[in-house]
Order: sequence, then C-alpha cells, then structure tokens
Amino acid sequence: GAVVSQHPSRVICKSGTSVKIECRSLDFQATTMFWYRQFPKQSLMLMATSNEGSKATYEQGVEKDKFLINHASLTLSTLTVTSAHPEDSSFYICSAHQLAGGTGELFFGEGSRLTVL
Amino acid sequence: GIQVEQSPPDLILQEGANSTLRCNFSDSVNNLQWFHQNPWGQLINLFYIPSGTKQNGRLSATTVATERYSLLYISSSQTTDSGVYFCAVTTDSWGKLQFGAGTQVVVTP
Repeated sequence: GAVVSQHPSRVICKSGTSVKIECRSLDFQATTMFWYRQFPKQSLMLMATSNEGSKATYEQGVEKDKFLINHASLTLSTLTVTSAHPEDSSFYICSAHQLAGGTGELFFGEGSRLTVL
Repeated sequence: GIQVEQSPPDLILQEGANSTLRCNFSDSVNNLQWFHQNPWGQLINLFYIPSGTKQNGRLSATTVATERYSLLYISSSQTTDSGVYFCAVTTDSWGKLQFGAGTQVVVTP
C-alpha cells in the first residue's frame, strides 16, 4: 500500500512553545491530506482537511489559529501547534488518499505523540 | 452527520478462538475501511471494503451496503491480533473518514 510518513513520532515541549509535525506521502502525490487527533482510550477525531496550495478546512470546534496547517507541496503537509498547553497533549495522525479526488483507500502515517509539560 | 457504531466495545479471546466484530452506519457511504491500531498507535489498513467480501489470511470482511453494516471476522486468533479495531466510513467527495469508537480486542495465550 501507499506510504505516509510522519515526523517526529514523539515530542515533548514546554508550555507556551510551538511544535511542528510533518506528514509526507512517500510514493504518491496527495492534493488533500487529513489531520486527526486521538486522546487516550478514544477514537480518532478529524481536525482539518489540508489542501495543497490553498487554506485548510477546519472541523467545527477546532481553532485554526491554534493548529496551523500548511500544505505547500503535493507530498508534504505540516501541522503546527502554536503556544502549546498541557491540554494539547495528544496523539496526532495524518492521512492521505493515494488516488486523486478523495477516492480509494486512505493511508495513515505513524502518528506523533505530543506531550506538553 | 453519519453515525458509526461498533460492537462489541471490548472482546477477550483465548488464542485460537474465532470472533466477529460489527460496524453499523446510519447512512449511505462511499467508502468503508477496517483498521487495526497496534499498541504503538499505528493504524494498519486491513480492508478497503465499501461493499462485498474480502479475505486476507485469517481475516475477512463483509459489507452489506444496502443494510448499512460491515462485519470483520478474525479466525484462529493470535496474541498479535490484540489491539483496537476501527471501522471508518466516508460520505463526502473529499474522502474524509468518520471513525467508530472501536473494539478493544485482547487475545490471551
């Protein structure tokens, strides 16, 4: 299957700092990527849809100024958690469709575990 | 929005046993996928199955789209099958997946 890679896999930061997470499609181009968030013992919740060359679309209740998304190329989307606080500690995971137009199978990165002290 | 319900929420199996996990959804879907989340959090794609039946080794899945449910079968379970199994569906043209709450599976030796 298609490969989606995320980096870093784990990050620990101090409260008030910003953290950037990268999501790359390694063997295909992705005009659209998705960012999910997962709290312990819970399911995955969609945060935003990342669109190459345009603004991201955020789900209701997700602060766009808090979670900055940039999709500058067809193989890279980044999520920046700005002024992170302990309540932002979570597992963040990105995904992409291998095929254009939102069709076909969705593949996920390895996830990034953020701990804010 | 669409509701995705998985059952049972928890399942404890002895190694070698068979089991069936169910996913009900409240509306028509474009896509349905089953995932296994391992203890490190990685989501492993099991099946892309908007309709029909597929098999991959000891796992198989069936989706009956007209009746809005999908089943995941695990046969001859092994301890490595432990983890959370998620069903997720897409209803829009963007391909956004909506996840169910998952089934936590524990396979004991």
